[in-house]
Amino acid sequence: DAKTTQPPSMDCAEGRAANLPCNHSTISGNEYVYWYRQIHSQGPQYIIHGLKNNETNEMASLIITEDRKSSTLILPHATLRDTAVYYCIVYDRGSTLGRLYFGRGTQLTVWP
Amino acid sequence: KAGVTQTPRYLIKTRGQQVTLSCSPISGHRSVSWYQQTPGQGLQFLFEYFSETQRNKGNFPGRFSGRQFSNSRSEMNVSTLELGDSALYLCASSPVEGGGYTFGSGTRLTVV
Repeated sequence: DAKTTQPPSMDCAEGRAANLPCNHSTISGNEYVYWYRQIHSQGPQYIIHGLKNNETNEMASLIITEDRKSSTLILPHATLRDTAVYYCIVYDRGSTLGRLYFGRGTQLTVWP
Repeated sequence: KAGVTQTPRYLIKTRGQQVTLSCSPISGHRSVSWYQQTPGQGLQFLFEYFSETQRNKGNFPGRFSGRQFSNSRSEMNVSTLELGDSALYLCASSPVEGGGYTFGSGTRLTVV
């Protein structure tokens, strides 16, 4: 079962920041927070991951709370191409054996 | 570098038939995982292979099987197809245990 809770849908105006929340209150010390997104009928695409510290890459920023029970994915300037289902996943990199629990994710719709 | 390649992209089969799907991981990746995605159940883990050994298996009937070759390429087989097997089948590869997973574009299987 998915260890994360995400809102089923969100929308955002093009050019504005999209902030996607994720609750993972039962996360353990060895588990990382990963974000993937899936554009319709394509395979999930890796976005970013983190353990404790905030992370940033060319696609997004990841903010993890100090208690690690929740996180927020930030797309700083959303475009229409960012419309997708976003999945927040937590897992222990040493023991997952390929199994990722995706849950239902958040459908982000970016409107012009 | 080349991504994860899945063939074929689309497939139509009749109930009762069997089907074989193929996945070529990123060069150097030794872990290959398979997922089934349906609108009703979302993304569900099928199995994972590492160095030609199945290390993990999801909750699917024995009609679903797989294997991995010495070059890390993987195949999955579904026998005695049912209408409910219609789905997007996704393959993901990882260089090492728990590293980032890269997904292919999937094979869309339709059973009629």
